[in-house]
Amino acid sequence: SAVISQKPSRDICQRGTSLTIQCQVDSQVTMMFWYRQQPGQSLTLIATANQGSEATYESGFVIDKFPISRPNLTFSTLTVSNMSPEDSSIYLCSADRAAEAFFGQGTRLTVV
Amino acid sequence: AQTVTQSQPEMSVQEAETVTLSCTYDTSESDYYLFWYKQPPSRQMILVIRQEAYKQQNATENRFSVNFQKAAKSFSLKISDSQLGDAAMYFCAYRSAKGSNYGQNFVFGPGTRLSVLP
Repeated sequence: SAVISQKPSRDICQRGTSLTIQCQVDSQVTMMFWYRQQPGQSLTLIATANQGSEATYESGFVIDKFPISRPNLTFSTLTVSNMSPEDSSIYLCSADRAAEAFFGQGTRLTVV
Repeated sequence: AQTVTQSQPEMSVQEAETVTLSCTYDTSESDYYLFWYKQPPSRQMILVIRQEAYKQQNATENRFSVNFQKAAKSFSLKISDSQLGDAAMYFCAYRSAKGSNYGQNFVFGPGTRLSVLP
């Protein structure tokens, strides 16, 4: 299995500000993934982050709102920009190994 | 496109009893993976069990087992001897065996919230 450390675990932010979430994997992985999980709901893929190239975004998610960095094969960040209360959610990073998905601990974001 | 359905938004079970969570999926593919993930209040998504579609034998992990019915596209999870620590959201997930972008090939169901009663 892979170990993914994600931080912060939670934050309360003012609307209009930005928050950057970090994920560190304990070994090199080709792709990392960012999901949003709104309260009481399932996971929705935001984007796929490859090292050395721009992230690939799913329908409904744009780079200006959710810029992603992937500077090396063990690390990625997701920024939630110009936040509004609608961005209040859990954000999870994930990586694959042997066709299984492993997840970080999640970041619970509350925008006030 | 593939879809995953979990028809039980909430379930409860008495401690030490057995419970079965239902999952159905829709796909035109023949080669794929199925998973059950557990998400306790800590938010950490934890893999419970996986099943490869080409395997006829149902997967088992300690107290957790699945009933995989490929023709019916059904993938239920049975938890035996339920423990208080089993209380969590359970997500059924489908993953295609094709393609290199595995993350985008994951489809999660809406989840079933399991409560374990002492």
